[in-house]
Amino acid sequence: ETGVTQSPTHLIKTRGQQVTLRCSSQSGHNTVSWYQQALGQGPQFIFQYYREEENGRGNFPPRFSGLQFPNYSSELNVNALELDDSALYLCASSPGTSGGRLEQFFGPGTRLTVL
Amino acid sequence: AQKITQTQPGMFVQEKEAVTLDCTYDTSDPSYGLFWYKQPSSGEMIFLIYQGSYDQQNATEGRYSLNFQKARKSANLVISASQLGDSAMYFCAMSRAPGTASKLTFGTGTRLQVTL
Repeated sequence: ETGVTQSPTHLIKTRGQQVTLRCSSQSGHNTVSWYQQALGQGPQFIFQYYREEENGRGNFPPRFSGLQFPNYSSELNVNALELDDSALYLCASSPGTSGGRLEQFFGPGTRLTVL
Repeated sequence: AQKITQTQPGMFVQEKEAVTLDCTYDTSDPSYGLFWYKQPSSGEMIFLIYQGSYDQQNATEGRYSLNFQKARKSANLVISASQLGDSAMYFCAMSRAPGTASKLTFGTGTRLQVTL
């Protein structure tokens, strides 16, 4: 069973640029959540996708957008990058959104640096 | 809104000793889930243990147990027989309903260092 994978591992961008981060969910999982973790902080929820539809969004501006594909992999897009967007971006997948004990399985993250 | 507070930025424990990591929470939701995750320096969040707000008994998973005190709104993690490999950041988190993979709210974490 393949776990959650993310690409790229590291990324350096300049202010104003756009970036796309990718996540492949664990086999059999149809729900993907994205989190931003600034240095020294806990992860903050960006949004969640369930069966290709956005299913909840945190307190992030519209320049943070996402997609989920039919194979349940997902992308996080960030436009007009700002210095404060520098963080570890974590993707987590789960087998559904409700019922039972549904811990989220996290990928290794993408470390984004904005210069 | 939900809030998780972890007041211990860093903790030291000797190998083979037990350690308790504190977590208090605040929510207006009638039911919720509580989680603990471990984050090694590699960055990946590793699930450790889960407690639903209506669960009568405290959760246990191997060397991990969750000391759930609902009236005090606390969900402390107890690690027994610490090992060097337990050195990592530990995060307490909660969800809006028990047993769901809904948005998780995390605390700021506690860095645990296990010494010889």
